Amino acid sequence: DAKTTQPPSMDCAEGRAANLPCNHSTISGNEYVYWYRQIHSQGPQYIIHGLKNNETNEMASLIITEDRKSSTLILPHATLRDTAVYYCIVIRAGGGADGLTFGKGTHLIIQP
Amino acid sequence: GAVVSQHPSRVICKSGTSVKIECRSLDFQATTMFWYRQFPKKSLMLMATSNEGSKATYEQGVEKDKFLINHASLTLSTLTVTSAHPEDSSFYICSARGLAGVDEQFFGPGTRLTVL
Repeated sequence: DAKTTQPPSMDCAEGRAANLPCNHSTISGNEYVYWYRQIHSQGPQYIIHGLKNNETNEMASLIITEDRKSSTLILPHATLRDTAVYYCIVIRAGGGADGLTFGKGTHLIIQP
Repeated sequence: GAVVSQHPSRVICKSGTSVKIECRSLDFQATTMFWYRQFPKKSLMLMATSNEGSKATYEQGVEKDKFLINHASLTLSTLTVTSAHPEDSSFYICSARGLAGVDEQFFGPGTRLTVL
């Protein structure tokens, strides 16, 4: 699976949009971009995933560049409960039987 | 939907004892379950993958005789840490993947193991 690069930490003011970048320049055509987050001392939580089109759900939006070498996770109105470590992971299509490789992620801190 | 539970959430034991951790998929059948370990301030590390009714596949460096995994049903997997030592103290997290064609994994809340 392709490797991802994320900034180690980011701050965002409560109520503002949090934009978390991820580079995955070696992504293959059959690999999806997945985002998970882990709130302190809890198990990771699935957020969203996409292949090449932008995606939106009740938690977040995912913007993938046209060349698919990078993406941005957007939390439109961040709250204090969004403080967590966010992981961007590339998974091959049909790779559900594979364990996930977690990088260091981005520690997002929402400031009141 | 897609809820995964773990029991216990926290356990403290003496060195040399064995500890069993349960992972259950509550509202779906999990064809594959995964076990991860997380040390303080570190990322999750995959320990093993288990499919219902077959032997688990362990990652390199993980002792299969020390970390026994049983996936006896489509809703339950257990991890037994045998003869636990202080260096086994960690946060153990399971995940499950169920629906065919769905690649995302759903994680349990984790079990904090402290070995004295």
